[in-house]
Amino acid sequence: DAMVIQNPRYQVTQFGKPVTLSCSQTLNHNVMYWYQQKSSQAPKLLFHYYDKDFNNEADTPDNFQSRRPNTSFCFLDIRSPGLGDAAMYLCATSLRLAPTDTQYFGPGTRLTVL
Amino acid sequence: AQSVAQPEDQVNVAEGNPLTVKCTYSVSGNPYLFWYVQYPNRGLQFLLKYITGDNLVKGSYGFEAEFNKSQTSFHLKKPSALVSDSALYFCAVFPIKAAGNKLTFGGGTRVLVKP
Repeated sequence: DAMVIQNPRYQVTQFGKPVTLSCSQTLNHNVMYWYQQKSSQAPKLLFHYYDKDFNNEADTPDNFQSRRPNTSFCFLDIRSPGLGDAAMYLCATSLRLAPTDTQYFGPGTRLTVL
Repeated sequence: AQSVAQPEDQVNVAEGNPLTVKCTYSVSGNPYLFWYVQYPNRGLQFLLKYITGDNLVKGSYGFEAEFNKSQTSFHLKKPSALVSDSALYFCAVFPIKAAGNKLTFGGGTRVLVKP
């Protein structure tokens, strides 16, 4: 089945220690998104890639970076995690950047910062 | 400002009874509307969406939603709830004229279906 995969499902890091979260997709979608979700709140969009074009949300901290080496993979790098960065991180994909296109989400990575 | 509201933080319903999860929106122009469900420690699963056409949209797992333009609502419904429907439900809107192509989520409604 075509799907969105996130690894690891659970990640523990130390305060200030860089961490990378991974997302891959077999849907061959052009757009990949990263969301942050805290305590069952609404997901908050951090940034997205349309193909190789990167679009950062205005309020996304500089501490968060992303890479998309190819169509299938996208990474979220947190350069110096703080306690406030503990959250569920969701990757999503859509075929295009059209408002009619459904976003399909991965299972998420729960990040704990000690 | 483009927004979507879910007025109920939690909905409790007995198994077998009808389930309704409310959503209202405020956008310029016609919206595209989505419902997602999230089970504990899982990502969001797409249920259904309204783009155009018939106001009654049927989706996955027996859910449906009715787009009501005059009331600016898109309530999610299921005729007979199951215990396994207990989860967190998000309504989302994608305004046609929005800048940045951003899906905007409501605050979520937790549904608890009791046996």
